[in-house]
Amino acid sequence: DTGVSQDPRHKITKRGQNVTFRCDPISEHNRLYWYRQTLGQGPEFLTYFQNEAQLEKSRLLSDRFSAERPKGSFSTLEIQRTEQGDSAMYLCASSLEASGGWYEQFFGPGTRLTVL
Amino acid sequence: KQEVTQIPAALSVPEGENLVLNCSFTDSAIYNLQWFRQDPGKGLTSLLLIQSSQREQTSGRLNASLDKSSGRSTLYIAASQPGDSATYLCAAKGDQAGTALIFGKGTTLSVSS
Repeated sequence: DTGVSQDPRHKITKRGQNVTFRCDPISEHNRLYWYRQTLGQGPEFLTYFQNEAQLEKSRLLSDRFSAERPKGSFSTLEIQRTEQGDSAMYLCASSLEASGGWYEQFFGPGTRLTVL
Repeated sequence: KQEVTQIPAALSVPEGENLVLNCSFTDSAIYNLQWFRQDPGKGLTSLLLIQSSQREQTSGRLNASLDKSSGRSTLYIAASQPGDSATYLCAAKGDQAGTALIFGKGTTLSVSS
């Protein structure tokens, strides 16, 4: 399967714990995006990477959130000191964005986080 | 700031009916517009992507149109089937480098047999 993969698919944690999610993009894609989706809402942008560089962060991404994409391959999203309001589906997407391209984003299956 | 709205929020139709889902956006400076399907508890599946210079795209029973000047896109589903039941999301990508997708809240479609 050459699509976007995410791990774990589900995570249940207690308030105050740290969690880390992983995203493996489509191999030749240079852009990687993280989104968050709550029930009944469309996904909201969190941050994106161009290769290994994190180029933009949404104001939704508080100081408790950190993301990395070492070597421009997989990415991790860590949430420290989780709060109940962090409960959501965390979606990763990748795209090949080059001049004149289609810039189509492909999404992974998501990680469902539940904070108790 | 780009805002994307989808109407209706929910739609129920009998099998075989043709239907139209609507998407509107406030900023016409878009690079492209993507339509996605999302099944409950799952990720997003890309259905169609329309570049800003295009008017429509077709894939099987799906046809998506784009009118940048009026800030509107429609997704037409022909001969609906129960397997089409899902939430359909549209998302606009701004025309500046690196901009993320801005999503609507989706239309939840239920097709009864």
